[in-house]
Amino acid sequence: KAGVTQTPRYLIKTRGQQVTLSCSPISGHRSVSWYQQTPGQGLQFLFEYFSETQRNKGNFPGRFSGRQFSNSRSEMNVSTLELGDSALYLCASSLGASGTVQETQYFGPGTRLLVL
Amino acid sequence: GENVEQHPSTLSVQEGDSAVIKCTYSDSASNYFPWYKQELGKRPQLIIDIRSNVGEKKDQRIAVTLNKTAKHFSLHITETQPEDSAVYFCAASKDSNYQLIWGAGTKLIIKP
Repeated sequence: KAGVTQTPRYLIKTRGQQVTLSCSPISGHRSVSWYQQTPGQGLQFLFEYFSETQRNKGNFPGRFSGRQFSNSRSEMNVSTLELGDSALYLCASSLGASGTVQETQYFGPGTRLLVL
Repeated sequence: GENVEQHPSTLSVQEGDSAVIKCTYSDSASNYFPWYKQELGKRPQLIIDIRSNVGEKKDQRIAVTLNKTAKHFSLHITETQPEDSAVYFCAASKDSNYQLIWGAGTKLIIKP
């Protein structure tokens, strides 16, 4: 099976712009989680989607939003970009068979966003 | 809310020695504890996980122990090798939370 893919891989934006990142999970996976990772920092949880429903959201401002489509592909959007949004954005998919996130999460390669 | 503390932030060990990384969680309802390894420039990958009905789990040179009373769990790597150099993340979750709570990570350096 193909792994988790994310597009684009690299992105440069300026302050105030908005950006949309895409994540295609492993075929058959229904749960997608998004994380922000900054240099030397851990994984900050953004949100989790399952069957097109957001089940949980992390402590990020409303400028960060997401959605999931019927084919389980997910997008996240960041509006009014700030310099501090520069980070590696990772998505992870899991099967979702248990109805929880207590399964192996398979990460994508990430999208590296630079805000100037 | 749930919090996971991970120590140490950096660990340097001689090749062949053992390495231990410890995580402490705050929510006694947490019942799933995975460990992920992230090599430089790569994506995190699950290396081992444990559920609260088990006290220890081993997979070759890697083991995880769980102490529910003290609310901490630890990753043990024996006979360390250069390829073990990476950042290791612990996490915890509970049923119906739909979120893994992550530790801050431990950078493991294996000295030749």
